[in-house]
Amino acid sequence: AQKVTQAQTEISVVEKEDVTLDCVYETRDTTYYLFWYKQPPSGELVFLIRRNSFDEQNEISGRYSWNFQKSTSSFNFTITASQVVDSAVYFCAGLSGSARQLTFGSGTQLTVLP
Amino acid sequence: SQTIHQWPATLVQPVGSPLSLECTVEGTSNPNLYWYRQAAGRGLQLLFYSVGIGQISSEVPQNLSASRPQDRQFILSSKKLLLSDSGFYLCAWSARGYGYTFGSGTRLTVV
Repeated sequence: AQKVTQAQTEISVVEKEDVTLDCVYETRDTTYYLFWYKQPPSGELVFLIRRNSFDEQNEISGRYSWNFQKSTSSFNFTITASQVVDSAVYFCAGLSGSARQLTFGSGTQLTVLP
Repeated sequence: SQTIHQWPATLVQPVGSPLSLECTVEGTSNPNLYWYRQAAGRGLQLLFYSVGIGQISSEVPQNLSASRPQDRQFILSSKKLLLSDSGFYLCAWSARGYGYTFGSGTRLTVV
């Protein structure tokens, strides 16, 4: 069985602050994939990143960065210099090698205030 | 490039009425297809997935069914809607787990 935990239900920051969204993934499989999705108010799920369990390099894409630490099963997502348009629900998800479907965390509602 | 289409975008249906939501994928062959539901409160629940034509796996017992009549077509149905069927329904496809791409969703309100 796999489990994705996003302990932060809601986060509120002021524009230009940095914010980190936490995610912990639990599985018995040694091979797995982790994902982050953004869900703006329109509802559509927007793919942000996919990472496999053998790649622990941090990744940066513009203001977004991801830190994967296999030892703690964490895959945290940081937004630098947040903007109002970053306001959305962010989902972390995992896919173990033996599973056929994504398991989602419960999501974190991020509100960036002007 | 691959695209996924889902319709309708919004739907208001009375209790007891039938339901049919359609999802189609273009630009790929033999995709894995999925139906998720997101009730109020954000959680995403997998309802059905399919790895091929006519192959449907159900994750939770419910008032809904799914069918895959063609390789790139996935349909979510109900014979009689319940109030509890209200929610946001998302179709998705993946190429054997490489990445999941979601449709734009259907917001269903059962009244």
